Amino acid sequence: EPEVTQTPSHQVTQMGQEVILRCVPISNHLYFYWYRQILGQKVEFLVSFYNNEISEKSEIFDDQFSVERPDGSNFTLKIRSTKLEDSAMYFCASSVRANTEAFFGQGTRLTVV
Amino acid sequence: AQSVTQLDSQVPVFEEAPVELRCNYSSSVSVYLFWYVQYPNQGLQLLLKYLSGSTLVKGINGFEAEFNKSQTSFHLRKPSVHISDTAEYFCAVSDPGFQKLVFGTGTRLLVSP
Repeated sequence: EPEVTQTPSHQVTQMGQEVILRCVPISNHLYFYWYRQILGQKVEFLVSFYNNEISEKSEIFDDQFSVERPDGSNFTLKIRSTKLEDSAMYFCASSVRANTEAFFGQGTRLTVV
Repeated sequence: AQSVTQLDSQVPVFEEAPVELRCNYSSSVSVYLFWYVQYPNQGLQLLLKYLSGSTLVKGINGFEAEFNKSQTSFHLRKPSVHISDTAEYFCAVSDPGFQKLVFGTGTRLLVSP
């Protein structure tokens, strides 16, 4: 069964460093998303991406965040200068089109020290 | 703005007993509704969805949910739970434009022998 894959599963980084979280969405999907879940809190939407551009973003997704689809298979989330409060589980998701369910990856646990 | 309320943070239940996990939503427009499950150290897996049509929706692993528009609820039920159902359950809502999901805070289902 096709699945969304995320790497790495766990990343530890020092405050102020840049991190890139990687995702390979399901191959025939056209919509891509990033969500995050701070420990003990709800899953929050960060950004959606379609046709090589951001289609919607939340207030969390400020200038330190960026997304990219550098080739035909990967979808990345970059955090330019990490802060302690960026520590969270980051989930990538994809859907075949709008108005269908999103399939989630296993998540990347980011720990900023 | 849309929001989701999951009234119970934790629901303990004995194996083979029935369970209901409650979800209420608020939205000024028509909605799509979802239940996702998160097993320990895993990603989010779709249990079931309501997009339109029959208000009783059947999902995987014997779960079902009923959409009640007048009560703005989408409660999840299972007539007989197993130990393996122990997990975190998230209710989520989106609008028909479906660019993002808004999640509830989750309900931890604890099934004991």
